[in-house]
Amino acid sequence: DAGVIQSPRHEVTEMGQEVTLRCKPISGHDYLFWYRQTMMRGLELLIYFNNNVPIDDSGMPEDRFSAKMPNASFSTLKIQPSEPRDSAVYFCASSGTGVGYTFGSGTRLTVV
Amino acid sequence: GEDVEQSLFLSVREGDSSVINCTYTDSSSTYLYWYKQEPGAGLQLLTYIFSNMDMKQDQRLTVLLNKKDKHLSLRIADTQTGDSAIYFCAESAAGGSYIPTFGRGTSLIVHP
Repeated sequence: DAGVIQSPRHEVTEMGQEVTLRCKPISGHDYLFWYRQTMMRGLELLIYFNNNVPIDDSGMPEDRFSAKMPNASFSTLKIQPSEPRDSAVYFCASSGTGVGYTFGSGTRLTVV
Repeated sequence: GEDVEQSLFLSVREGDSSVINCTYTDSSSTYLYWYKQEPGAGLQLLTYIFSNMDMKQDQRLTVLLNKKDKHLSLRIADTQTGDSAIYFCAESAAGGSYIPTFGRGTSLIVHP
């Protein structure tokens, strides 16, 4: 398996623009997580899905953030409109019946 | 709520042993993890220990758990420059989806 695949690896956008981050989890994993990592706040859980259904989105910072999982092999995290304080590394992770998560390589988002 | 604390930095000389410490507050923790994050990459599960164990060894890695004091440590023997990374401690309680609580991470710097 190629692991958890995220795209793009880097995204630079202007304030006010819409940003869409993508994730392909490991086949067979039924949990998918979106995290945000910053120097100030560390690793924050934004939202997670179980069998494509959002279970807990209490970590989503504002209504500008939304996430979807239309099928078992694809999820998106959208920020609209983006702001400079959204600049961070966004990670997707998936897990199955085993212990622990598999993380993707992350998307480094810079909003200028 | 749950909390996981780690020191932010550790500097060691190549060939020495490294010990990274972590404390947690959730007494119902069942799984305790160590993840490694190399520059530009996602977190990678390094090892984990069940709360009914007090030690786990895997090649150069030794995990010690003091459940009474809620203290977890990761010892890396014969530390190499390739071990330079951020090490995250995490814990999760039994049941549900085993969502872990992560610490802020310890940056391990290995110098010649």
